[in-house]
Amino acid sequence: GQQVMQIPQYQHVQEGEDFTTYCNSSTTLSNIQWYKQRPGGHPVFLIQLVKSGEVKKQKRLTFQFGEAKKNSSLHITATQTTDVGTYFCAGYNNDMRFGAGTRLTVKP
Amino acid sequence: DSGVTQTPKHLITATGQRVTLRCSPRSGDLSVYWYQQSLDQGLQFLIQYYNGEERAKGNILERFSAQQFPDLHSELNLSSLELGDSALYFCASSVDEGAGNTIYFGEGSWLTVV
Repeated sequence: GQQVMQIPQYQHVQEGEDFTTYCNSSTTLSNIQWYKQRPGGHPVFLIQLVKSGEVKKQKRLTFQFGEAKKNSSLHITATQTTDVGTYFCAGYNNDMRFGAGTRLTVKP
Repeated sequence: DSGVTQTPKHLITATGQRVTLRCSPRSGDLSVYWYQQSLDQGLQFLIQYYNGEERAKGNILERFSAQQFPDLHSELNLSSLELGDSALYFCASSVDEGAGNTIYFGEGSWLTVV
């Protein structure tokens, strides 16, 4: 069945450094979504990518969808302590499957 | 507040017991999803219902079952509980079943099996 792999599992950065998490699917996806889960909270929708090669930006966050629609990335520029949390990708192909998430910690 | 309501928020029970977790989706959402999140683990998709019918099945154990009722609320039944079933169980909902729907998560039900 469809699998969505996400790396790295953990990332610890100094405040101000950049951060990237990568998502790869074993199958071509119809779309991919990204979610953020703050410590102790629930996943919250960030963005959806649908088109091949699509790039979307939200302030310091840049989301990309690969040309083959099998991979995606989330890049955060100049991390802040408020960026702390776990970032999940979720790929859709008949059903929605989440990656294992990347837990980001930021040292002030 | 996502609009998805889950009860109970916390539950402690003994091994071998059975529990029911309840979920009310956002108003107007027809699709309900259940996910399991263990400590330091990702979101394990369990099952999805759409308008009362099972839509997709993930890594759901045979000891677990779910249903969606005519009023669209859903219940997840966990039986013959084991210590390893201790986890945070999320319910989520979306407008319909297809691609492109934002999934809204509830705050989760913490289950501790002792």
